[in-house]
Amino acid sequence: AQTVTQSQPEMSVQEAETVTLSCTYDTSESDYYLFWYKQPPSRQMILVIRQEAYKQQNATENRFSVNFQKAAKSFSLKISDSQLGDAAMYFCAYRRGTQGGSEKLVFGKGTKLTVNP
Amino acid sequence: DTGVSQNPRHKITKRGQNVTFRCDPISEHNRLYWYRQTLGQGPEFLTYFQNEAQLEKSRLLSDRFSAERPKGSFSTLEIQRTEQGDSAMYLCASSLGQGFREKLFFGSGTQLSVL
Repeated sequence: AQTVTQSQPEMSVQEAETVTLSCTYDTSESDYYLFWYKQPPSRQMILVIRQEAYKQQNATENRFSVNFQKAAKSFSLKISDSQLGDAAMYFCAYRRGTQGGSEKLVFGKGTKLTVNP
Repeated sequence: DTGVSQNPRHKITKRGQNVTFRCDPISEHNRLYWYRQTLGQGPEFLTYFQNEAQLEKSRLLSDRFSAERPKGSFSTLEIQRTEQGDSAMYLCASSLGQGFREKLFFGSGTQLSVL
């Protein structure tokens, strides 16, 4: 079974600074996708960024970027120029490729990010 | 597009009672998912529908749990004979399409407390 591990239960960052959240995963599959979701106090999960396993180029979305190390099974999230609105729980998630695979997401336990003004 | 709507937002019940939650997905989204999130954990997959067909169920979904999606529109999740261990947030998500481009839209969840 696939597992996702987030080893940092909590992280904090000063406004305008950069922070990196860690995620490792375990799988024997070669075709899969990785995601970072944000869950603010409103509870609604919001997709931050996603990565296809077969793409070596790291995904970027504005201030958010990932460092995808496939051999190490590592998928960290970097938030640049942190803003107060970035404060939330961040979840790393894994999903198998759709060629006969399940559609479900496997989530890590999350990292609570605090942004200090 | 009003987003994924879940009702009720909070539910408090006594052990042994039955509860039902409702999820209204984004219109025309053909896929609907249920997840359960307990305190300090990430969401765990329960089940998903494509249109009205329930395509996968997790082993977490005991026989006390049942989900339906009549006519491929809204979905209900019923828990019979609730137990204290059922206390959690129940999240619904919907999507259109598949593969990498599939984007899940989540609702704000129903928080269940079993006393």
